[in-house]
Amino acid sequence: ETGVTQSPTHLIKTRGQQVTLRCSSQSGHNTVSWYQQALGQGPQFIFQYYREEENGRGNFPPRFSGLQFPNYSSELNVNALELDDSALYLCASSSASGNTGELFFGEGSRLTVL
Amino acid sequence: AQRVTQPEKLLSVFKGAPVELKCNYSYSGSPELFWYVQYSRQRLQLLLRHISRESIKGFTADLNKGETSFHLKKPFAQEEDSAMYYCALNPNRGSTLGRLYFGRGTQLTVWP
Repeated sequence: ETGVTQSPTHLIKTRGQQVTLRCSSQSGHNTVSWYQQALGQGPQFIFQYYREEENGRGNFPPRFSGLQFPNYSSELNVNALELDDSALYLCASSSASGNTGELFFGEGSRLTVL
Repeated sequence: AQRVTQPEKLLSVFKGAPVELKCNYSYSGSPELFWYVQYSRQRLQLLLRHISRESIKGFTADLNKGETSFHLKKPFAQEEDSAMYYCALNPNRGSTLGRLYFGRGTQLTVWP
């Protein structure tokens, strides 16, 4: 069974740039959620994708967008980067037909915005 | 609005001592509560959920709706319990929506 994988693991961008983060869900999982974890804080829900459509969104501006592909992998895109976007971005997968609430997390992509 | 509060950012105990990690929540409905754990250099993973009423690695947590709490307890802490613990709430009970509200976490250190 393949776990959730994310890429890249680390990256540095400057203000105003755009970034794309990628996530491969765990085998058999069709739902992907993205979380932002700022330093010293718990993960904060950005949005979730199910059947290639956004299915729930947290309190994040439209410059945070995403995609889900037919193989259930997903991308998180952030436009017009701001300093406060510096954080660990976590991807989590789950099965819509499985146990509720259990998310399987990747190791995250650490974004630094200068 | 949903909120999960973990009042202790850091918690230290000696091996063999009891440990309690506090979690309080605010939510008007019937939530599902979870504890997630992150060991050093590992990814965040589920420890236990209140609906299962199970003990995992000696940890238990009881949902107290009157006090809106879901404290995590273990009678005899072990060094391998040292980790970051996050309390999380799923407001959509019975739904597979992957939206959880997390607390800020408590770093537990168990000294030998």
